[in-house]
Amino acid sequence: GESVGLHLPTLSVQEGDNSIINCAYSNSASDYFIWYKQESGKGPQFIIDIRSNMDKRQGQRVTVLLNKTVKHLSLQIAATQPGDSAVYFCAEIYNQGGKLIFGQGTELSVKP
Amino acid sequence: DSGVTQTPKHLITATGQRVTLRCSPRSGDLSVYWYQQSLDQGLQFLIQYYNGEERAKGNILERFSAQQFPDLHSELNLSSLELGDSALYFCASSPYTGMETQYFGPGTRLLVL
Repeated sequence: GESVGLHLPTLSVQEGDNSIINCAYSNSASDYFIWYKQESGKGPQFIIDIRSNMDKRQGQRVTVLLNKTVKHLSLQIAATQPGDSAVYFCAEIYNQGGKLIFGQGTELSVKP
Repeated sequence: DSGVTQTPKHLITATGQRVTLRCSPRSGDLSVYWYQQSLDQGLQFLIQYYNGEERAKGNILERFSAQQFPDLHSELNLSSLELGDSALYFCASSPYTGMETQYFGPGTRLLVL
């Protein structure tokens, strides 16, 4: 069925450490993936995206890895800061449609 | 700031009532999407409009309807409200449609009492 699942609902890391947030998707036909960050009381904020013809994409302090063989997506945050504390969602689009299918989210907590 | 605006920020109403949520997309974006975020269902796609026309439909109840106007702003109408409709409603926009980033507004928090 339609589902994008996250392996860990909560993740606690020390400030300065690297964080890895994982996501498993079920639809092998998915074309496009996005990671969003949602802070309390705010809307999802775009972090980084990746298309299905790529396996890695880097941004500022963030890297997304896509493994189509096992239908797995991960978000790596380097040198995690307290401001990174939020819920992180992966989302997918398939069949070139516009609707985003969201995972359940992972709450990242950064300890000072 | 994503450039997507939504009003009102908060809405408290009673069961059986009808409300209208408003969304203005980013300048130049033709697509508007509506999502519902509740504690037990997560973020769920409701409906998409592209340049004034309905493009895709998701898990939207028959009591809910939406439209996109010539100036590209959109309204989501929720009627015969039930307690279970209490949720955050987000609007997102993108330049066209398909495989592209959607930028989200700050949301409208609806509480049905």
